Amino acid sequence: QQPVQSPQAVILREGEDAVINCSSSKALYSVHWYRQKHGEAPVFLMILLKGGEQMRHEKISASFNEKKQQSSLYLTASQLSYSGTYFCGTPRAHDYKLSFGAGTTVTVRA
Amino acid sequence: NAGVTQTPKFRILKIGQSMTLQCAQDMNHNYMYWYRQDPGMGLKLIYYSVGAGITDKGEVPNGYNVSRSTTEDFPLRLELAAPSQTSVYFCASSLTPTEAFFGQGTRLTVV
Repeated sequence: QQPVQSPQAVILREGEDAVINCSSSKALYSVHWYRQKHGEAPVFLMILLKGGEQMRHEKISASFNEKKQQSSLYLTASQLSYSGTYFCGTPRAHDYKLSFGAGTTVTVRA
Repeated sequence: NAGVTQTPKFRILKIGQSMTLQCAQDMNHNYMYWYRQDPGMGLKLIYYSVGAGITDKGEVPNGYNVSRSTTEDFPLRLELAAPSQTSVYFCASSLTPTEAFFGQGTRLTVV
């Protein structure tokens, strides 16, 4: 079952912050985050594991709340290069079937 | 480093034609995936494989078939192309439940 992402889209000015949420109706054992630039393939940002630490990629960080079955991606002091569509992926524990949310499109303007 | 290689990059098919999208990875990854991405939409899982000889359906398998005879290759077969299969197809692979590497995609148009 695919995770649910919110919001669908967000527009930021450089330097502003944003939060993207990813939730699942089923228990999660890990959450992946990817970013896709227009016309390109998705690129891995980070993985959050059960009981693991909060991860960071540049000024992008993420957290994983196992009890709430959700993860949040934090874009801090956004840069123009952060524009793109962000996807969360939730692999199934026993066979790693990797499903993705519908994506959140982030537009950062100067 | 080649990573995940998809061929062709672009293809136009007529309704009812068949074709195979090729995907090869040189990282000795066990897990391979096929996704489709419609314009402005997310990634939908078509089929996946946890190793040679093992495949399973994803969320949208109808109209597609796969095989995994080797660790390296995971071709996706479209038997009777329909306009609804117009999409960008991505193949991905991963070693374990960690980072998935994506190919550059195949843009398919069915007319």
